[in-house]
Amino acid sequence: NAGVTQTPKFQVLKTGQSMTLQCAQDMNHEYMSWYRQDPGMGLRLIHYSVGAGITDQGEVPNGYNVSRSTTEDFPLRLLSAAPSQTSVYFCASRPGTGNSPLHFGNGTRLTVT
Amino acid sequence: GDSVTQMEGPVTLSEEAFLTINCTYTATGYPSLFWYVQYPGEGLQLLLKATKADDKGSNKGFEATYRKETTSFHLEKGSVQVSDSAVYFCALSDPSFYGGATNKLIFGTGTLLAVQP
Repeated sequence: NAGVTQTPKFQVLKTGQSMTLQCAQDMNHEYMSWYRQDPGMGLRLIHYSVGAGITDQGEVPNGYNVSRSTTEDFPLRLLSAAPSQTSVYFCASRPGTGNSPLHFGNGTRLTVT
Repeated sequence: GDSVTQMEGPVTLSEEAFLTINCTYTATGYPSLFWYVQYPGEGLQLLLKATKADDKGSNKGFEATYRKETTSFHLEKGSVQVSDSAVYFCALSDPSFYGGATNKLIFGTGTLLAVQP
């Protein structure tokens, strides 16, 4: 089982460049989310989606866009990268109902210079 | 707002030592509580959970009891192994959306555990 797949694993960007972090899950999960992990800050929710066509903001949405055109995919877009977006990004999904646990991808380590 | 506070690490132990990682929470409702573990280079995995007061979650020798009176969910293991070295995250589900599709997890800052042989 592939689970949650994130690409790329590593990325270096210059300030002002744009890129898309890809996330795909093959478990037919309705709920998908993006977190960033920073030292001493734990994981903070960026955006989430409860189903295709529905997205909403989390704790730290500024500088990031998302869309959910299919159940499987939930890409995260950085339109103009800033050094403050240097972080490790995790995509996570779970079934849409109840308190099911999140399934995480292995992360994308992003450095913005 | 809701929050989770974990003891700061790193926690360094010898193999077979007893482990406690403290976790306390603040929530307005009745959250579910979780411990996630992150091994080097990997994403987080659910370790155990408890959904109501006095519930005990357990897995792989780890245990945690949901204590509403002290708003705590401390992680314990009687005898750690080198393979338990990882970062451990305490988390709660946002009770304002309890039972709904928008349940959001609020994480603590994580505690690094290093077990030496």
